[in-house]
Amino acid sequence: GESVGLHLPTLSVQEGDNSIINCAYSNSASDYFIWYKQESGKGPQFIIDIRSNMDKRQGQRVTVLLNKTVKHLSLQIAATQPGDSAVYFCATDQTGANNLFFGTGTRLTVIP
Amino acid sequence: DTAVSQTPKYLVTQMGNDKSIKCEQNLGHDTMYWYKQDSKKFLKIMFSYNNKELIINETVPNRFSPKSPDKAHLNLHINSLELGDSAVYFCASSRWTEELQFFGPGTRLTVL
Repeated sequence: GESVGLHLPTLSVQEGDNSIINCAYSNSASDYFIWYKQESGKGPQFIIDIRSNMDKRQGQRVTVLLNKTVKHLSLQIAATQPGDSAVYFCATDQTGANNLFFGTGTRLTVIP
Repeated sequence: DTAVSQTPKYLVTQMGNDKSIKCEQNLGHDTMYWYKQDSKKFLKIMFSYNNKELIINETVPNRFSPKSPDKAHLNLHINSLELGDSAVYFCASSRWTEELQFFGPGTRLTVL
């Protein structure tokens, strides 16, 4: 089965600093990777995704890095804002499986 | 105009009761999912349906019975509720050909 884990269960950063949230996965067949943000009392919201044929993808203030060699995924948030405070999940899937495996989540707290 | 909606938002009930949670999506997706999120925020898939057909059925007690009357709806019926069923249940949807899933706002079930 898949095992998706996060290195840090909690992360506190100062407003304006950059945040890095890490994720490790074990299934080498995983070829789709996604980050979700879950605010309190809400459902997970899509942030950014990446396929295994890429090692970096950028969005607005967010960057996902994929290292397939060590099966590691990270989410970088630039100039972190109070509104970024949430639990962040990584998830993996295989093309055609439609079966996302979620990591345990990292709670990001932004200190004003 | 919520993309994935669930009712009710909160559900408090006694042990042994039977209850249902409803989910609807207006995204035109053909695949829908139910997830359970425990108190530690761990998200685990329970079921998925594609075009009203059961695709994924993880190790879930048979007290849980999903029903998909059409592609836009996936309801979850739970018989003989137990204390351990207390959790937040999320519905999600996607296109069958895509891995990206969109989540509903969740239903917090509390069994007393």
